Parts: sequence; structure tokens; C-alpha cells
Amino acid sequence: EPEVTQTPSHQVTQMGQEVILRCVPISNHLYFYWYRQILGQKVEFLVSFYNNEISEKSEIFDDQFSVERPDGSNFTLKIRSTKLEDSAMYFCASSSGLAGWYNEQFFGPGTRLTVL
Amino acid sequence: RKEVEQDPGPFNVPEGATVAFNCTYSNSASQSFFWYRQDCRKEPKLLMSVYSSGNEDGRFTAQLNRASQYISLLIRDSKLSDSATYLCVSPNQAGTALIFGKGTTLSVSS
Repeated sequence: EPEVTQTPSHQVTQMGQEVILRCVPISNHLYFYWYRQILGQKVEFLVSFYNNEISEKSEIFDDQFSVERPDGSNFTLKIRSTKLEDSAMYFCASSSGLAGWYNEQFFGPGTRLTVL
Repeated sequence: RKEVEQDPGPFNVPEGATVAFNCTYSNSASQSFFWYRQDCRKEPKLLMSVYSSGNEDGRFTAQLNRASQYISLLIRDSKLSDSATYLCVSPNQAGTALIFGKGTTLSVSS
């Protein structure tokens, strides 16, 4: 069964450092997403991406965040200067169509980011 | 403004019990809803989609009440393996994001 993959599974970084989280969405999917979940809290939407551009972003997704699809398979989330409060599980997801139109969003296993 | 609200839980039930979770939503224009299951420190996985008044899949039944703007999930004959956090989810109006509730934790014991 096709699945979303993410690397690394755990990333530890120092405050102020840049991190890049990587995702390989399901190959025939067209919509890509990043969510995050701070420990003990709800899953929060960060950004959605379609046709090589951002289609929606939340208030959390400020200028410190960026996304890129550098080739035909990878989808990355970059945090330029990490803060302590960026520590969370980051989930990548993909879907074949817009949510709510019989299109399931499939989630990757997540990258646990720890900022020290 | 809380878009999706769920029973706080936790629910602790014995094997074989029937348990129901409720969820309310604020966006009256939402056409579809989802129940996701999340195991500890794992990714959310889709359990059920609800596009009309309800959906049933084996021991799981989801119901939608548009007038009252709530969705429910009923689990019959609970199994130990049902222990997880159940997330009520609604897409935003554009369909470009999923809005998650905080989740309700279920613990099934033998």
C-alpha cells in the first residue's frame, strides 16, 4: 500500500539553527500539507501546497517557515531560525484532491523536532 | 473561536462495552467530517468519513446532525485494540486544510 514517508524520524537542534524536514508524498497525489502537534496538544494545520505554490497557510506559518517541492518526489518544510516553541511532531500529508470531496489525506509517520 | 470541539475524556471502559463520543463544529457550511484515530506518538489515521447523515463500518457508527452541528462516533463491543485517541476533523471551507479537535482518549481494559 502506498504511504507517505518522512525523514528524519527525530531531529534535535539548537535554538536559532535552521532545520529542513523532508517528506515523500504518495506518488500520484497532487496536494501536500504540513501539520504540527505539540506534545499533549491538538494537530494544527501549517500549510497546504498545490501546483507548486502555497494554497493556504495558517497563522503559525510565519516568515520563519517555508516549503518547497525541489523535485518530483520530495516536499520539504524549512524552519530558518528555530525557537524552543517549535519543538513538536511535524506531520506531512498528501491527498489526490481537496479535503471534503471524498479525498482522504494520508499522513506520514512524523518527524519529532526537539529544539534545545 | 473553537472550530471543532470534542468530549474531553478520557473514557475508560471494559472490553465489550459500547462507547460514544460527541463532537461539535462551528462552520455550518461544512459538508464533510472525519473521525481519525491516533495512537500514542503516531500519525493520525482515517477511521471514518461522514458525508451525509451517517456512516457505519462494522462496530463503528458515525452520525451527523446538521441542525445541531454535531457528529458522534459510536463504538460497539469495544476491543483492547480500540484504545487510542479519536480525533474529530472537519475540512476548512476551501478544502485546503483539515481542522482537528483536541481528541478524546479511549482506554479499553480487560
